Amino acid sequence: GAVVSQHPSWVICKSGTSVKIECRSLDFQATTMFWYRQFPKQSLMLMATSNEGSKATYEQGVEKDKFLINHASLTLSTLTVTSAHPEDSSFYICSARKRGQVNQPQHFGDGTRLSIL
Amino acid sequence: AQSVTQLDSHVSVSEGTPVLLRCNYSSSYSPSLFWYVQHPNKGLQLLLKYTSAATLVKGINGFEAEFKKSETSFHLTKPSAHMSDAAEYFCVVTLWGGGGNKLTFGTGTQLKVEL
Repeated sequence: GAVVSQHPSWVICKSGTSVKIECRSLDFQATTMFWYRQFPKQSLMLMATSNEGSKATYEQGVEKDKFLINHASLTLSTLTVTSAHPEDSSFYICSARKRGQVNQPQHFGDGTRLSIL
Repeated sequence: AQSVTQLDSHVSVSEGTPVLLRCNYSSSYSPSLFWYVQHPNKGLQLLLKYTSAATLVKGINGFEAEFKKSETSFHLTKPSAHMSDAAEYFCVVTLWGGGGNKLTFGTGTQLKVEL
C-alpha cells in the first residue's frame, strides 16, 4: 500500500499557541507533499506544496510566516501554525506523492482537526 | 486552467438502488480525473482514476466512472448502494507536468444511503 500518517489527529489549544502537525509517508519515499485546509462542509483548498530539501511553494493568499512548512526528509513534512487564533481552526490534510511517480495519484493522510480556543 | 463542477451537493438513495454522482470538468488539455471518498473526520481515499487509457474506469467497492470527452463529464456510478457508501465524494481534476501535479477539487457531493 501507500500509507500516509498524520499526527496528531485532533488538537485543541489556546489562542497564541503554535501547533505542529506531522505528515509521514510510512512505506514509501515522498519527494513532494501537499498541505490542504478544509472548512466544514467545504472542499479541500491547497495551501502549499512541500518539496524535500527545498522551500515550500505557497498558494496565493496563504501566509508563509503563519503556516511554516518543513520537509526535511523523504518521509516527513511538518506544518506549524504559528501564533494560532480561532480563525485558524480547521481540518488540515496532507498528501504525498511517491518518489518517481509524477503521474500517479496523491495519497492522503487522515487529517488533523485543529481547534483554537 | 482547469475546473471541476459537481452538480449535486447532496444525493440520497435507498440501500440496494443505483448511485449516480455527477461531475463535469473543464480543462485546456487532456486531463486526468479522479474520484475520492471522505468519511467523517477522515482523509481522502482514492476510488478510481482516469489517465487517458480506457474511458470506462472501474474502482474499488464496486464503483465505476466513464470519461466522456464530448460531454466533458466523469460521472461516478454504482449499481447497488450499501449503507457503508454514505460519505462525501470529491471529483478531482489535474494536469500532469509542470512539476506541480496540482489537484483541483470539486465542491463535493454528500451521499446519504437510507434503509
